[in-house]
Amino acid sequence: DAGITQSPRHKVTETGTPVTLRCHQTENHRYMYWYRQDPGHGLRLIHYSYGVKDTDKGEVSDGYSVSRSKTEDFLLTLESATSSQTSVYFCAIKSAVSNTGELFFGEGSRLTVL
Amino acid sequence: EDQVTQSPEALRLQEGESSSLNCSYTVSGLRGLFWYRQDPGKGPEFLFTLYSAGEEKEKERLKATLTKKESFLHITAPKPEDSATYLCAVQAHGGSQGNLIFGKGTKLSVKP
Repeated sequence: DAGITQSPRHKVTETGTPVTLRCHQTENHRYMYWYRQDPGHGLRLIHYSYGVKDTDKGEVSDGYSVSRSKTEDFLLTLESATSSQTSVYFCAIKSAVSNTGELFFGEGSRLTVL
Repeated sequence: EDQVTQSPEALRLQEGESSSLNCSYTVSGLRGLFWYRQDPGKGPEFLFTLYSAGEEKEKERLKATLTKKESFLHITAPKPEDSATYLCAVQAHGGSQGNLIFGKGTKLSVKP
């Protein structure tokens, strides 16, 4: 158990509305990530953070922003949701005690944009 | 372009029928290759990391191997509880921290 909690776990929203997904971790990990998973695609990196207020873009960052004001929380925001952002979103961390690069994932947040 | 291809897309086995899943990759310098298991409605669960050709890792009925172009996940005498989607991912040297390139996965079904 990597101590990751994602919220909400399920959300249905309408096109054009803002949405924020939260990832909370309890083990002081420095690196946190947001991925999305869609049928026909592998998991794809949206944004990641390497410390408080330090973030960078991933492969599919358009339409998303992130913030990390505390070590334990990494927020993913869709400023104006579109139907193409219907997906399952996973938060992940890289263990602070591991030098080997593997990521540990949360349980996911399923977002439906109507 | 870094790429990961998994085959087959789906695999049905009888309980006890051993088989292998394939992960072919092209990457500009491999930092690590990762195997994950994902159950429906759950997040991926880490299984193995492999770093260099010839390396092998084992866990219960699973054994992962690595060559310069591909990795295999061997499943020996599978049980129904091994049913899941198995994901392969690679990380390239020089890539963004934690930017794992994932394959689309192999969905394994093991029938009793």
